[in-house]
Amino acid sequence: AQKVTQAQTEISVVEKEDVTLDCVYETRDTTYYLFWYKQPPSGELVFLIRRNSFDEQNEISGRYSWNFQKSTSSFNFTITASQVVDSAVYFCALSEAGRDDKIIFGKGTRLHILP
Amino acid sequence: KAGVTQTPRYLIKTRGQQVTLSCSPISGHRSVSWYQQTPGQGLQFLFEYFSETQRNKGNFPGRFSGRQFSNSRSEMNVSTLELGDSALYLCASGQGEMGSSYEQYFGPGTRLTVT
Repeated sequence: AQKVTQAQTEISVVEKEDVTLDCVYETRDTTYYLFWYKQPPSGELVFLIRRNSFDEQNEISGRYSWNFQKSTSSFNFTITASQVVDSAVYFCALSEAGRDDKIIFGKGTRLHILP
Repeated sequence: KAGVTQTPRYLIKTRGQQVTLSCSPISGHRSVSWYQQTPGQGLQFLFEYFSETQRNKGNFPGRFSGRQFSNSRSEMNVSTLELGDSALYLCASGQGEMGSSYEQYFGPGTRLTVT
């Protein structure tokens, strides 16, 4: 069965610190997609990244980086030199391509960046 | 290109009433998915419509229904509202090809409060 686990419900760090948000997933399929979304207080889900199951290369986008490891079924997200504007709820999600188009979300991690 | 729009943004209803929420997808997108977000259950998939047909459905009671019009706009309806239906309802629009869930773009949501 599909499942996404974000064990950290809430994290607080001081501005400029690095922070890693953990995500562990379960799926029976060999072809799947993984996502990270950011949800600021306004409520709208902001797409950050998607990876397909055949691409294990780590990705860096500015201060954001993602570590995808199939061996441990993890897709962790790191923010380097955090800023107050990074404060939000972050969701990791999974979709099994070809089976259906629904996205299964983790419970989310609420990130507080303290000035 | 305009994003996904949802109306109304906020809604207050009384238990037992019914409510209709509207979603206009990105121009050219044919798939509309609906998600419910609550503090307790997180983000959960409700259903997806493609070309006026329900293509996929989550585990929600029959009180939750939806439809899609020929212009791809979608509505979801909740009848006999319960207090537990209070949630943020998010709509996502996509190209619609099966397996393209990674191309879903979310709207700002409708916050429904049931009193």
